[in-house]
Amino acid sequence: AQSVTQPDIHITVSEGASLELRCNYSYGATPYLFWYVQSPGQGLQLLLKYFSGDTLVQGIKGFEAEFKRSQSSFNLRKPSVHWSDAAEYFCAVGANFNKFYFGSGTKLNVKP
Amino acid sequence: EAGVTQFPSHSVIEKGQTVTLRCDPISGHDNLYWYRRVMGKEIKFLLHFVKESKQDESGMPNNRFLAERTGGTYSTLKVQPAELEDSGVYFCASSHPSSSYEQYFGPGTRLTVT
Repeated sequence: AQSVTQPDIHITVSEGASLELRCNYSYGATPYLFWYVQSPGQGLQLLLKYFSGDTLVQGIKGFEAEFKRSQSSFNLRKPSVHWSDAAEYFCAVGANFNKFYFGSGTKLNVKP
Repeated sequence: EAGVTQFPSHSVIEKGQTVTLRCDPISGHDNLYWYRRVMGKEIKFLLHFVKESKQDESGMPNNRFLAERTGGTYSTLKVQPAELEDSGVYFCASSHPSSSYEQYFGPGTRLTVT
């Protein structure tokens, strides 16, 4: 069965520090992978996506993610976090005619 | 270009009452999806419309939930009668037929059943 695991419920980092949010998925075929961000009071915004090709994908706001098939992972990274990055982040896998499976989210707090 | 809009943003109802949520997709997006997030858990798929037809409704919890998309434009999701476990945030998303995997999400409707 398809599933997505985000093992970290909360993460706190200092402004300017690097960030890595973990995502592991279970899916029987080549996955379409996504990272979304939800800021307070806002909808889900697409940060980046992986469909095929280069396993390192660049997204908006300076984020990147790396697809590792052998580890079934799609971790999100940012080299230097800004206070405005505080939000909740969701990893998702797309399957079966557009149905998305989401992880339970990781809340990011940024310390000044 | 306007994004996906949802109405209302919040709704508080009593158990046994009826609530109708509305979603207006991005213009030209034939695909429309409903998702739900309960109690800080994962966001779960409810159903998928292609124009006015239900493509996949495998995620609908039970027959108290009724989704419609008359005319293939906006969609409504009715919960009747509401139960306590229906509380959560209901998201709507839409995508264009040429890039169906790129789903654009609305801000969600927070439903509280007391």
